[in-house]
Amino acid sequence: AQSVAQPEDQVNVAEGNPLTVKCTYSVSGNPYLFWYVQYPNRGLQFLLKYITGDNLVKGSYGFEAEFNKSQTSFHLKKPSALVSDSALYFCAVRLWNSGNTPLVFGKGTRLSVIA
Amino acid sequence: DTGVSQNPRHKITKRGQNVTFRCDPISEHNRLYWYRQTLGQGPEFLTYFQNEAQLEKSRLLSDRFSAERPKGSFSTLEIQRTEQGDSAMYLCASSLVEGISEAFFGQGTRLTVV
Repeated sequence: AQSVAQPEDQVNVAEGNPLTVKCTYSVSGNPYLFWYVQYPNRGLQFLLKYITGDNLVKGSYGFEAEFNKSQTSFHLKKPSALVSDSALYFCAVRLWNSGNTPLVFGKGTRLSVIA
Repeated sequence: DTGVSQNPRHKITKRGQNVTFRCDPISEHNRLYWYRQTLGQGPEFLTYFQNEAQLEKSRLLSDRFSAERPKGSFSTLEIQRTEQGDSAMYLCASSLVEGISEAFFGQGTRLTVV
């Protein structure tokens, strides 16, 4: 079964410092991987996705993610964190490895950026 | 606003009552998904539709839950005889069928069963 794991419940980073939110995956076949962000009382917002091609994927709000097949990881990164980046971040993978099937989400990582 | 719309945003109900939620997807999206999110967890898949056809139901979707998308546009999720364990955020999302595209989420309906 397809699954993702987010090993950190909470990540704290100082404003202006680089941030990394970790995600590892377990899939059969090629992975289709996604990152979403959730602000308080808001729905999930899409940040970026990996389908194929370049291992470094660029997304919204200056975020990027690095796909590493050998480590089965898809870590979310940003070179310089903003206080407004503080939110809940979810990694996700397609439930079945074809087409637009439902997503399987990790438990989420709460990012706190401290001024 | 042409995003995914969910109503109501909040619902408080007494245990044993029935509730119904509505989701209006992005108009050109054929696929519509329902998820449930509890505190401290990621969203969990409940069911999804392609047009009016319900393609799959999760084991989380007990017999008390039913979802419809009668005309392939909006969808409803009904919970009968609510239990306290049904308290959660119910999220709706929509996407295209083709390719590997992202799903767009609504703001959710927060259900509290008292």
